[in-house]
Amino acid sequence: IVLTQSPGTLSLSPGERATLSCRTSQSISSIFLAWYQQKPGQAPRLLIYGASNRAPGIPDRFSGSGSGTDFTLTISRLEPEDLAVYYCQQYGNAPRTFGQGTKVEIK
Amino acid sequence: QVQLVQSGTEVKKPGASVKVSCRTSGYTFNTYYIHWVRQAPGQGLEWMGIINPSGDITNYSQKFRDRVTMTSDTSTSTVYMEFSSLRSEDTAVYYCARGNYGSGSYGALDYWGQGTLVTVSS
Repeated sequence: IVLTQSPGTLSLSPGERATLSCRTSQSISSIFLAWYQQKPGQAPRLLIYGASNRAPGIPDRFSGSGSGTDFTLTISRLEPEDLAVYYCQQYGNAPRTFGQGTKVEIK
Repeated sequence: QVQLVQSGTEVKKPGASVKVSCRTSGYTFNTYYIHWVRQAPGQGLEWMGIINPSGDITNYSQKFRDRVTMTSDTSTSTVYMEFSSLRSEDTAVYYCARGNYGSGSYGALDYWGQGTLVTVSS
């Protein structure tokens, strides 16, 4: 299953809303869709699992939604520390696959 | 606290093999599968495969199936990933990660090791 993320880069100001898209090449169960944040020089961090469930310790400005082939990660109010690359992943089929990432830049 | 601690940086020549370890602590080892993911310089994440805690179930990405072997040592709560016939394009950071929020092998990756840089160069 191929995951396609858009846009490739998102440049926004602090306080703005970020909407990141992840489209899968075939329909998947939403319980098998995750989002990760990777800051420069760090390992990825799990943000969302099951399409809409925040992982422990993740701020509530991060939310996930979607079903079928279209999924969205929303950051409601950008903060400077949200500078990162965000990846979606499907984990219901082998091989588990990741999207190519969306880079979020802070103006 | 949950920790996954990986072995250190490796430099290998083309054709060689590398074995990366992932020592876990802070949770019941026998409960969670471990995944391996790699990231080439400046590139995205690539899933390599998964192993169950007892080591008798593995599932490798077809891309790596001929060259990767994952094993588990329950006595030390450590998982290993051995990668053979290395090429320059295998230069990457290799991560282990714990699967959670799903049954068996169907888990999102909730804890990650710090990564192991493997450089393949003549």
